[in-house]
Amino acid sequence: DVKVTQSSRYLVKRTGEKVFLECVQDMDHENMFWYRQDPGLGLRLIYFSYDVKMKEKGDIPEGYSVSREKKERFSLILESASTNQTSMYLCASSTGTGKAQPQHFGDGTRLSIL
Amino acid sequence: SQKIEQNSEALNIQEGKTATLTCNYTNYSPAYLQWYRQDPGRGPVFLLLIRENEKEKRKERLKVTFDTTLKQSLFHITASQPADSATYLCALDLTGTASKLTFGTGTRLQVTL
Repeated sequence: DVKVTQSSRYLVKRTGEKVFLECVQDMDHENMFWYRQDPGLGLRLIYFSYDVKMKEKGDIPEGYSVSREKKERFSLILESASTNQTSMYLCASSTGTGKAQPQHFGDGTRLSIL
Repeated sequence: SQKIEQNSEALNIQEGKTATLTCNYTNYSPAYLQWYRQDPGRGPVFLLLIRENEKEKRKERLKVTFDTTLKQSLFHITASQPADSATYLCALDLTGTASKLTFGTGTRLQVTL
């Protein structure tokens, strides 16, 4: 089974801090994704990557950056955390072979910015 | 703009009945549609994928239909069980590249005894 592991289940940080969220997948997937999930808004794509060192903006990239130095690891960075970035963050991966591939999710990091 | 609509109100259903969840979309003709299940505090889990040229797809007690004319997918759970209680999300590929998905907000299903 595909396993997507997010480094922390819960994280509390202060406004202005630089925050790193880490995600690792063990299935050699080409594609990796970062979403945030908020009540009433659903899952919204922040950034995705279809190869090492490649990244593309999703629907809400402002205030975030990403890093993919190795195929199995995709990091989300909050450059200067703000309270409106308090949310559940979900990482996902999928194979790049063919279209319509399902995404495999981690269990999320619930981030609180105080 | 693209819009995916799922009923935001929870669906309450008695055990043994068939649950039917709806996913409507506008302004797009997706090549396929996916359904996911999400339990509280967990990430979504993939359930089924249906392509535009498929009218219906089944997997055990699950059935998905895809009507590209109505721009609607229906997700059915037959003989529902309390363990089926969860939030169900539909997702569409709006770009056709890199399996990038846009998710609906989900419908919460509660199956009671």
